[in-house]
Amino acid sequence: GENVEQHPSTLSVQEGDSAVIKCTYSDSASNYFPWYKQELGKRPQLIIDIRSNVGEKKDQRIAVTLNKTAKHFSLHITETQPEDSAVYFCAASKASYGKLTFGQGTILTVHP
Amino acid sequence: DAGVIQSPRHEVTEMGQEVTLRCKPISGHDYLFWYRQTMMRGLELLIYFNNNVPIDDSGMPEDRFSAKMPNASFSTLKIQPSEPRDSAVYFCASSSRYGYTFGSGTRLTVV
Repeated sequence: GENVEQHPSTLSVQEGDSAVIKCTYSDSASNYFPWYKQELGKRPQLIIDIRSNVGEKKDQRIAVTLNKTAKHFSLHITETQPEDSAVYFCAASKASYGKLTFGQGTILTVHP
Repeated sequence: DAGVIQSPRHEVTEMGQEVTLRCKPISGHDYLFWYRQTMMRGLELLIYFNNNVPIDDSGMPEDRFSAKMPNASFSTLKIQPSEPRDSAVYFCASSSRYGYTFGSGTRLTVV
């Protein structure tokens, strides 16, 4: 089955800096890669996703890149703000409506 | 739409008791998923249904766990008997090609 590895497990940055979280996956049949943000005690919330026919996608301060050959994808957050502090999960799936295999999560802390 | 509705939000039970978690998916979503979240294992898929039919239950940890989806608007996850290591947050999610939504979760504590 699919295996998703996520790094780093914790990331601490100063407000205004950029943050990068990286994931690798094992199943070449995966073609949908969402990123979720989870605040303490809340449900995971989708923040951005990318499909395998796209190399990069951007939404304001958030961008995701995908290298299908190398089987890795990354989340980039620019101009970080304290409210970006949360746990971020990457995931992989064969379809946008299918079962998700999650990475282990990254605790992002943005210091004011 | 009220989103994916889970009940109860919190459950504290004694070891050996039966626990039933409930989920109402978004109307029109034809996939329903049960995930479990723990510090040690992260977010892991337990089972999922398509059009009320179980498709993949390989994530169900053992025979103490069972899940049903008797109709398109309701699913249950049952643990019998419960053990302290079952303590976790259990999320239900539903999806269609137009969206994927998680419920608020049930925090289960087995003492």
